[in-house]
Amino acid sequence: EAGVTQSPTHLIKTRGQQATLRCSPISGHTSVYWYQQALGLGLQFLLWYDEGEERNRGNFPPRFSGRQFPNYSSELNVNALELEDSALYLCASSLQGGGSPLHFGNGTRLTVT
Amino acid sequence: GQQVMQIPQYQHVQEGEDFTTYCNSSTTLSNIQWYKQRPGGHPVFLIQLVKSGEVKKQKRLTFQFGEAKKNSSLHITATQTTDVGTYFCAPTSNTGKLIFGQGTTLQVKP
Repeated sequence: EAGVTQSPTHLIKTRGQQATLRCSPISGHTSVYWYQQALGLGLQFLLWYDEGEERNRGNFPPRFSGRQFPNYSSELNVNALELEDSALYLCASSLQGGGSPLHFGNGTRLTVT
Repeated sequence: GQQVMQIPQYQHVQEGEDFTTYCNSSTTLSNIQWYKQRPGGHPVFLIQLVKSGEVKKQKRLTFQFGEAKKNSSLHITATQTTDVGTYFCAPTSNTGKLIFGQGTTLQVKP
């Protein structure tokens, strides 16, 4: 079984630009979660998608947005990038939302200069 | 979402010593998951606890859920260098908002 895949692995952007991160869940998983992990810090919840709908979001500004496609893959968009957006962005999928174990991808390392 | 406090933040042990991390909440938890993240890696699901007072074992790892379902612990017996990493607890809810604790980073000296 293929795991959760994220692309790109690394992304370098300058302040003010926009970034798009992509995630493909495990086959059969309908829920996709996004987390931000700044260097040396914990996992901050960003967004949860299930069956194509945004179900919940964390305490992040509106310039963090995303969507889930009919094939359950997802993308995270970050507009007007700021230096503090530099972090590892982790995507996770689960069979269903609301408590099923999460399976994480390897993440996208976003660097904003 | 449900917030938890995880302690300690860091722990350095000699190989062979035991290690425990605690996860505490001010509110009753529905259930709780534990994850391990190796340095440079991504979090990996370890276990989910659901019942009050539940105890589950995975080889040298023992997971407990408190009787009041407000705290949980992970105990590692006779640590090995392969146990190095950050251990996160995460209470689950039916809102789907899985909030992770701050994590406990374990260093093991050979």
